[in-house]
Amino acid sequence: AQSVTQPDIHITVSEGASLELRCNYSYGATPYLFWYVQSPGQGLQLLLKYFSGDTLVQGIKGFEAEFKRSQSSFNLRKPSVHWSDAAEYFCAVGASSGNTPLVFGKGTRLSVIA
Amino acid sequence: DTGVSQDPRHKITKRGQNVTFRCDPISEHNRLYWYRQTLGQGPEFLTYFQNEAQLEKSRLLSDRFSAERPKGSFSTLEIQRTEQGDSAMYLCASRRAGTGGNEQYFGPGTRLTVT
Repeated sequence: AQSVTQPDIHITVSEGASLELRCNYSYGATPYLFWYVQSPGQGLQLLLKYFSGDTLVQGIKGFEAEFKRSQSSFNLRKPSVHWSDAAEYFCAVGASSGNTPLVFGKGTRLSVIA
Repeated sequence: DTGVSQDPRHKITKRGQNVTFRCDPISEHNRLYWYRQTLGQGPEFLTYFQNEAQLEKSRLLSDRFSAERPKGSFSTLEIQRTEQGDSAMYLCASRRAGTGGNEQYFGPGTRLTVT
């Protein structure tokens, strides 16, 4: 069965520090992987996606993620965090066919301190 | 704005009442999804449509839930005889099937509180 694990429920970083949010997935076929961000009381905004090709993908707001098939991981990174990055981050996996709904992790809440 | 829209944004209802939510997808998107998100959890799939056909329903979708997309454009999600456990954020997403990838675009959600 498909599943996504985000091991860190809550992470606090200082503004300007680097960030890495972890995501591990279990999927029986070639996965499509996504990171979404959700601000309080809002819907989800797509940050970036991986389908194939280069395993390092760039997204919006200065985020990037690296797909590592051997580790079943798709970790999200940002070199320098801004206070406005404080939000909930969700990793999700879907079928390459696009014929299945997305399976989400439980999310990682990011707090940014001065 | 041409994104996914949902109405209402917030709904407070008493247990046992019926509620209906609406989702308007991005206009050229033929796939429409409903998810439910409870506090501290990621979104969980409920059901999805391709055009007006409902293609899949999660076991989370009990008999009290029904969804429609009569003309292949907007969709409604109805919950009958609401229970306190139905309190959640209900998210709608859309995409255009046949395009590369499976990214879905989400609306702002409808937050339901059942008292």
